[in-house]
Amino acid sequence: EIVLTQSPATLSLSPGERATLSCRASQNIDSYLAWYQQLPGQAPRLLIYGAFYRATGIPARFSGSGSGTDFTLTISSLEPEDVAVYYCQQRSGWPLTFGGGTKVEIK
Amino acid sequence: EVQLVEAGGGLVRPGGSLRLSCAASGFTFSDYWMTWVRQTPGKGLEWVANLNRDGSERHYMDSLEGRVTISRDNAKNLLYLRVDSLRAEDTAVYYCARDNNRRDDYWGQGTLVTVSS
Repeated sequence: EIVLTQSPATLSLSPGERATLSCRASQNIDSYLAWYQQLPGQAPRLLIYGAFYRATGIPARFSGSGSGTDFTLTISSLEPEDVAVYYCQQRSGWPLTFGGGTKVEIK
Repeated sequence: EVQLVEAGGGLVRPGGSLRLSCAASGFTFSDYWMTWVRQTPGKGLEWVANLNRDGSERHYMDSLEGRVTISRDNAKNLLYLRVDSLRAEDTAVYYCARDNNRRDDYWGQGTLVTVSS
């Protein structure tokens, strides 16, 4: 099973700051990584797939990068509505796995 | 508009079984793989199962293998998840999602399953 480790567990930033979220895979997953955003009390929403492709309707301040084992989700300028938990998921092989999540808070 | 609506959750006794359903609309259901994901209270997301377009290929979370069955009825645009021998640790919100070529691009709002005596 491919293990995904997300860091930090919690990120507390001021509006307008840059948020950098990390996801590390226990083995090479090429670019088969997706990022999801889960707003409080809501279902997850697809943000990024294929490591760096933005999903339909996702603002340009969200970007993904990386390949192999190290991946990053960047929010270029944090907005109050970005308060959420962010999960990475590997789509390289079965069983599919999620990371433990990073909670983004506003200071 | 793509919509996924889960149903079938509720309170179940330990050792019992349940079948969840997911009604799909707004897209050609038979063209897509489908996914079940669960989220235990206050915890993260756990992938549960995936099913291919015609129901002939299934993949399951290792720890649930043998207790869970994913299936679909393409004529009725319905996805199902049956879970047997339920345990307290199966208490979770269960989400269905559309698998669009290695990404779950639409999600339902989830149905809560509570396993308790």
